[in-house]
Amino acid sequence: NAGVTQTPKFQVLKTGQSMTLQCAQDMNHNSMYWYRQDPGMGLRLIYYSASEGTTDKGEVPNGYNVSRLNKREFSLRLESAAPSQTSVYFCASSEGGGPPLHFGNGTRLTVT
Amino acid sequence: RKEVEQDPGPFNVPEGATVAFNCTYSNSASQSFFWYRQDCRKEPKLLMSVYSSGNEDGRFTAQLNRASQYISLLIRDSKLSDSATYLCVVGMDSNYQLIWGAGTKLIIKP
Repeated sequence: NAGVTQTPKFQVLKTGQSMTLQCAQDMNHNSMYWYRQDPGMGLRLIYYSASEGTTDKGEVPNGYNVSRLNKREFSLRLESAAPSQTSVYFCASSEGGGPPLHFGNGTRLTVT
Repeated sequence: RKEVEQDPGPFNVPEGATVAFNCTYSNSASQSFFWYRQDCRKEPKLLMSVYSSGNEDGRFTAQLNRASQYISLLIRDSKLSDSATYLCVVGMDSNYQLIWGAGTKLIIKP
C-alpha cells in the first residue's frame, strides 16, 4: 500500500500564479486534512474533510480552496499565490474521528 | 500566550540516558492529547495518544496532568534513532481541529 501520496514534492511559483496540490490515500479513510508547517510554528490546519462530500475550514483557510473529489482524493488549490503562502504543506488521513494517522511526504512550496 | 507550548530545545542526550520533556496547554477544556515525532524534513508520525491515567509503549511513557495543564513524554534507554522533533498535540471536542506545538528537538549522541 502506498498510504498517502502527495504531489508535487517541490514547487516554485511567482506571486499571483495558481496551482493545485494533489493528495490521494488508498486506506479507505473517511477523514482527510491539509496542513501547513512554517519554521518555529506548529502545524496549522487549512481545511479538512470529515467524509466524502464534506469540507470544513480549519485555522488558516484564507487564500485556499479544497475539493474532496471522492473518498480517495482531497486537493488543495491556491488561486493567486502570495509570498505568505511559502510553506511546507502536508496532506493527512485518518479513520473516523481519530487523529491524523498517515501523512504524505509533504510539498515544499516557495512563492517569490 | 500560545495555546500549546513546548521548549524548542535542542535536548542533547547521551545514548542510553533517560530524557523527559513537557508540553503545556492553555485551554482547560482540552480533551485529547497526542505525541507525534517528526524526523528532519519528513512528515509527522503519531507516536502515542496520552490517556488520563498515563500510558506506556515500550520505552516511551506519556503522562497527563490536568490540574497543571501539561503533558509529558519520557524516553528511557534512549537510542540514536530517537533523535527527532517531538510534537505535542492537543484537541478539544473533536480530533479534526487539533492544536499543534512547535516541537522539541531531541538529539541523541553516541
